[in-house]
Amino acid sequence: DAGITQSPRHKVTETGTPVTLRCHQTENHRYMYWYRQDPGHGLRLIHYSYGVKDTDKGEVSDGYSVSRSKTEDFLLTLESATSSQTSVYFCAISDYSGGSYNEQFFGPGTRLTVL
Amino acid sequence: AQSVTQPDIHITVSEGASLELRCNYSYGATPYLFWYVQSPGQGLQLLLKYFSGDTLVQGIKGFEAEFKRSQSSFNLRKPSVHWSDAAEYFCAVDSNYQLIWGAGTKLIIKP
Repeated sequence: DAGITQSPRHKVTETGTPVTLRCHQTENHRYMYWYRQDPGHGLRLIHYSYGVKDTDKGEVSDGYSVSRSKTEDFLLTLESATSSQTSVYFCAISDYSGGSYNEQFFGPGTRLTVL
Repeated sequence: AQSVTQPDIHITVSEGASLELRCNYSYGATPYLFWYVQSPGQGLQLLLKYFSGDTLVQGIKGFEAEFKRSQSSFNLRKPSVHWSDAAEYFCAVDSNYQLIWGAGTKLIIKP
């Protein structure tokens, strides 16, 4: 299994509080992604990173920010959590090497509940 | 715009029966295609992938998928399902180092 961890694995917070989720990889992969998964919506990309300090928005980026100061860590921050951000959050990593794209490997997920 | 359609939200099959999960994609160039599986409460695991070459690809757990360019399809098959195959299955296509995902198909196994 790819070395990807997410912390925390579960979190309950209140509306209006800031929340930071961490994704840590030991694979030295260039690309990192944050998704949210909600029933009926499948996986939706929030933000992704293509290198240290290089990030871009996905389809559901409003209310989220990210940072990547080291290859191994990709942080997702909810500046002011809302109930609509209650979801399961997955981190994924991938790489592009030898002229071919490789698949994404997923972390175990973080279940976030915003009350 | 690229898109992936999994037309079946749920599929129910009997244990031991064959399975086919449908996936259609919209993509201008030669696609990189993937099938992932998610067991309840778990993360996503890659079942198989198609990059080029043989259009019939073999994956883990006895699954296979066939790429048909003329039909823009990448259907997942298994000749005989087991109760442990009950899960949600996602098809995805690569688009500029991002994955475009289908909405998923939930597989229910009847004993």
